[in-house]
Amino acid sequence: DGGITQSPKYLFRKEGQNVTLSCEQNLNHDAMYWYRQDPGQGLRLIYYSQIVNDFQKGDIAEGYSVSREKKESFPLTVTSAQKNPTAFYLCASSITDANTGELFFGEGSRLTVL
Amino acid sequence: KQEVTQIPAALSVPEGENLVLNCSFTDSAIYNLQWFRQDPGKGLTSLLLIQSSQREQTSGRLNASLDKSSGRSTLYIAASQPGDSATYLCAVRSARRQLTFGSGTQLTVLP
Repeated sequence: DGGITQSPKYLFRKEGQNVTLSCEQNLNHDAMYWYRQDPGQGLRLIYYSQIVNDFQKGDIAEGYSVSREKKESFPLTVTSAQKNPTAFYLCASSITDANTGELFFGEGSRLTVL
Repeated sequence: KQEVTQIPAALSVPEGENLVLNCSFTDSAIYNLQWFRQDPGKGLTSLLLIQSSQREQTSGRLNASLDKSSGRSTLYIAASQPGDSATYLCAVRSARRQLTFGSGTQLTVLP
C-alpha cells in the first residue's frame, strides 16, 4: 500500500540530546513537509522540501534540521537548541509543491522530553 | 498574514443529526482549501480538497463549500454517526504556497 511512514511513534529524550524522526513515503511525491502540533493549536510548518537536495525553512525552523538526500525520505532532527521540543510531529507529502496539490499525512511521532 | 479560524472549538450532537462545521480565513487570495479529519493520537486524513475555482466538493455524506469573497468554508456532515467523532481541521493554501491550519473543531456524536 502507498503511504507515508513515520517512526518511531513514541520517543522520549533527555534534555540536551538530539533526536531524529524518520519519514518515508512511497507515493512518488516530490514535496515533503514537517509540521508540529501542540494542544489547542493549529499545525505549524517547520521545514519543507520541494525536490531532492533542496529544502526551505518554515515558520518555526529554529532548533530543527532536515535533509533530503532521497526522494522517499525526509528525516527531521530535533536538536538540543529547540527550547520546547515536546510535541506531536507530523510529516506530509504532496505530488508537487504546486498550488493545487493535495496534502497527505503520516501517523505522527510523539516526542517527550524528560 | 493568513489566519484561519474554526468555531466552535467543540461540538456535541446526537446520532443522526445533520451538522455544519465552519472555517473562516482572513485573506481571500487562496489557491485551495482542504478539510481533514484527525482521530486522537493519529495523523490527519484528507477528506475533501476544494480548488479556488470551485464552489463545493462532495464525498459520501460529506459536502464542503467554499465562498472566497466572504472568506468562509463549511463542512456539512449528513446523518452523523458515532464513528464521525473526531477533530476536523481546515487548511488554506494561499499566496505563499504553504498551508495555514485552523485549530480544529472537536466533534462528538452521541449514540
